[in-house]
Amino acid sequence: AQSVTQLGSHVSVSEGALVLLRCNYSSSVPPYLFWYVQYPNQGLQLLLKYTTGATLVKGINGFEAEFKKSETSFHLTKPSAHMSDAAEYFCAVSEGNQGGKLIFGQGTELSVKP
Amino acid sequence: GAVVSQHPSWVICKSGTSVKIECRSLDFQATTMFWYRQFPKQSLMLMATSNEGSKATYEQGVEKDKFLINHASLTLSTLTVTSAHPEDSSFYICSAKSLAGLYEQYFGPGTRLTVT
Repeated sequence: AQSVTQLGSHVSVSEGALVLLRCNYSSSVPPYLFWYVQYPNQGLQLLLKYTTGATLVKGINGFEAEFKKSETSFHLTKPSAHMSDAAEYFCAVSEGNQGGKLIFGQGTELSVKP
Repeated sequence: GAVVSQHPSWVICKSGTSVKIECRSLDFQATTMFWYRQFPKQSLMLMATSNEGSKATYEQGVEKDKFLINHASLTLSTLTVTSAHPEDSSFYICSAKSLAGLYEQYFGPGTRLTVT
């Protein structure tokens, strides 16, 4: 069975600093990996996804993530944090043969200090 | 494009009553819709997967007689919480997968259910 682990339930950075949110996955088949952002009392918005091809994927709002098979990781980064990036971030894995079913990590709350 | 709506956005009901939550794909046809539950400060837990015109597939531990799911058309799925109790209070989120989108799910804004 697939699973996702997000290291750190809460990450705090200063505005302008590098954002690094960690995600490790477990999957018995080539995974499809996703990062979502959730603002309070709202649904999820897709930041980026990896399915096949280039392992460095760029998403919206300046975020990017790199799929590293050898490390079973899919960490999310952004070079310079903005106050508006403060939110909850979820990493998710979907196995192709599971019909799109997503398994979510525990989530990481990102705080951005002025 | 790829907008999913939920109605209502929040609802308060009395213990023992039933409440229906609608999930609509506004600008695409959704072959599959998913229902998630999220407790405060926690992750999303998949409750069930519904395919248009067929019975929903429930995850282990989810009571199918309590959480009734109907996916009557390619743009509408409903979740009915029957005989609601305070422990059913939660944030319910749906997502939809389009005919064309192999991997991507589009999420609704969620429905906050409070059972008193």
